[in-house]
Amino acid sequence: ETGVTQTPRHLVMGMTNKKSLKCEQHLGHNAMYWYKQSAKKPLELMFVYNFKEQTENNSVPSRFSPECPNSSHLFLHLHTLQPEDSALYLCASSRGLAGVEQYFGPGTRLTVT
Amino acid sequence: DAKTTQPNSMESNEEEPVHLPCNHSTISGTDYIHWYRQLPSQGPEYVIHGLTSNVNNRMASLAIAEDRKSSTLILHRATLRDAAVYYCILNKAGGAQKLVFGQGTRLTINP
Repeated sequence: ETGVTQTPRHLVMGMTNKKSLKCEQHLGHNAMYWYKQSAKKPLELMFVYNFKEQTENNSVPSRFSPECPNSSHLFLHLHTLQPEDSALYLCASSRGLAGVEQYFGPGTRLTVT
Repeated sequence: DAKTTQPNSMESNEEEPVHLPCNHSTISGTDYIHWYRQLPSQGPEYVIHGLTSNVNNRMASLAIAEDRKSSTLILHRATLRDAAVYYCILNKAGGAQKLVFGQGTRLTINP
């Protein structure tokens, strides 16, 4: 148990659906992250938020829309996804942005049909 | 960003020490060396990090070469639960937290 929870743990959606992934951290951290882990590829950073403000968008397609209403919650809104977007989506948090360890959630396994 | 090089896989036996190497020949003076691991069906887990001096914590030890161009993660007494993919990552101090994961080393522990 890392103090970072993600829901749902598994999600199957069609290409025309709209769904959202939720992440919550109970660690009092101020920075939160979304990562994508595709099969046989390294983890890729998608977005970074610090004190609710987005500080990094790693050239992510607009069909992925992040939202950070407060420092404890992070959402990833999904719409019109493609089958190649099927992956494990991981959320992480950290105490700050500079050189400190990140705590990861268990991830959401997304399958796009 | 400075890159790291790790062996694709390693194998060890339960209750024996494991030394996981990482090369980072282009490391800069402000790069911290971080190690994470990812157990099957879980998110990555922070293991240890250091800058210049060797570091110890309850999970592992980190030995950093004097020229900082390589480092070794040491698991003193491996258990089956240590079977995971281990990632060596460089991250700049004082800058945006941007972990760049490579392929890592897949560690297999034999009973």
